[in-house]
Amino acid sequence: GDSVTQTEGQVALSEEDFLTIHCNYSASGYPTLFWYVQYPGEGPQLLFRASRDKEKGSSRGFEATYDKGTTSFHLRKASVQESDSAVYYCALRSNYQLIWGSGTKLIIKP
Amino acid sequence: AQTIHQWPVAEIKAVGSPLSLGCTIKGKSSPNLYWYWQATGGTLQQLFYSITVGQVESVVQLNLSASRPKDDQFILSTEKLLLSHSGFYLCAWSLGGRSYEQYFGPGTRLTVL
Repeated sequence: GDSVTQTEGQVALSEEDFLTIHCNYSASGYPTLFWYVQYPGEGPQLLFRASRDKEKGSSRGFEATYDKGTTSFHLRKASVQESDSAVYYCALRSNYQLIWGSGTKLIIKP
Repeated sequence: AQTIHQWPVAEIKAVGSPLSLGCTIKGKSSPNLYWYWQATGGTLQQLFYSITVGQVESVVQLNLSASRPKDDQFILSTEKLLLSHSGFYLCAWSLGGRSYEQYFGPGTRLTVL
């Protein structure tokens, strides 16, 4: 079946560091891919989506590019801030379901 | 603008007791609706979805049931709670069709003792 893999369970960075969170997927065709962010005690919020090869999604300084060749949709941000502390989920749309990655917790070190 | 409301905000219930959680969407007609469960520190697990009133599809069986009595309302329930039901329950909506993103409510925190 379809699946999403996030390799980093947790990432600890200092403010202004560069962020990369890896997301790889397994699915046939061109599934729609999403990045969501979840703050403690809240529901996930959509960051952005992409549905075509080489399509770039972006929001709030975060970006990711759909890569069919490597089946990846890695999340990047050039300079993280304390307010970016949250859990980030990669997901793909499969019929009426969203298939979710395991999530990556971003910690900003003081 | 669309708003999604979940009730209650939090519940503490005894094992074996019944449960009913609710979700209401305002500002969007005929949305697709979804229920999710999230263990503390865990990822999201989709439980049910509904594309129309009176029709609910199960994704995962966790001794829970869902109903959609109105176009804008989605109910999650069980007659007998288990310890394993503890967690964070999220309702979400999307536009009709298969390609649209889902938007989440604020969630209900359930503790079963």
